[in-house]
Amino acid sequence: GDSVTQTEGLVTVTEGLPVKLNCTYQTTYLTIAFFWYVQYLNEAPQVLLKSSTDNKRTEHQGFHATLHKSSSSFHLQKSSAQLSDSALYYCALSGSGGSNAKLTFGKGTKLSVKS
Amino acid sequence: DAGVTQTPRHEVAEKGQTIILKCEPVSGHNDLFWYRQTKIQGLELLSYFRSKSLMEDGGAFKDRFKAEMLNSSFSTLKIQPTEPKDSAVYLCASSLGGEQYFGPGTRLTVL
Repeated sequence: GDSVTQTEGLVTVTEGLPVKLNCTYQTTYLTIAFFWYVQYLNEAPQVLLKSSTDNKRTEHQGFHATLHKSSSSFHLQKSSAQLSDSALYYCALSGSGGSNAKLTFGKGTKLSVKS
Repeated sequence: DAGVTQTPRHEVAEKGQTIILKCEPVSGHNDLFWYRQTKIQGLELLSYFRSKSLMEDGGAFKDRFKAEMLNSSFSTLKIQPTEPKDSAVYLCASSLGGEQYFGPGTRLTVL
């Protein structure tokens, strides 16, 4: 079956420095969509970024990610971390819509930004 | 449009009790998902409905967990009987086949 592997556990970064959260995957689908979800404390997960186009950079709220099918990766990056970025981040993949809308999630990476 | 709503937001149960969690998906969405969220396992899929039909029933959760979709705008998750290891946040999400929209979750504590 499909699987998504993320940077495990806690990532701590100093405010203003760059941050990168890794996400790699295995899938049997030919057409895939990828998502990064962010969950702030005591809130619901919400979509931060989404992409289905190989080698195209997607950006939102200062974060960016590029789907690389050649390396099966969709890493999340930001050039300058902010205190407000502290949250739990999930990477997820979806096979081509069709008959199954299920998402396969990674286990999540907690990002802590310190001043 | 209203988002996904879940009730109650918090639930405390004694071991062995039956509890029922409720979810109302985004109007018009035909895919509905129930997840359990813990720090160790992250998001675990419990059930998946498409147009009220059960598409997937998480294998490890079959014996005491039962989700139902009574109509296109309402779903329940029953846990019977509850055990302390069921303490977690239970999330409901809905979609139109792509991006999933999550509700705020129900935090369940089983004593």
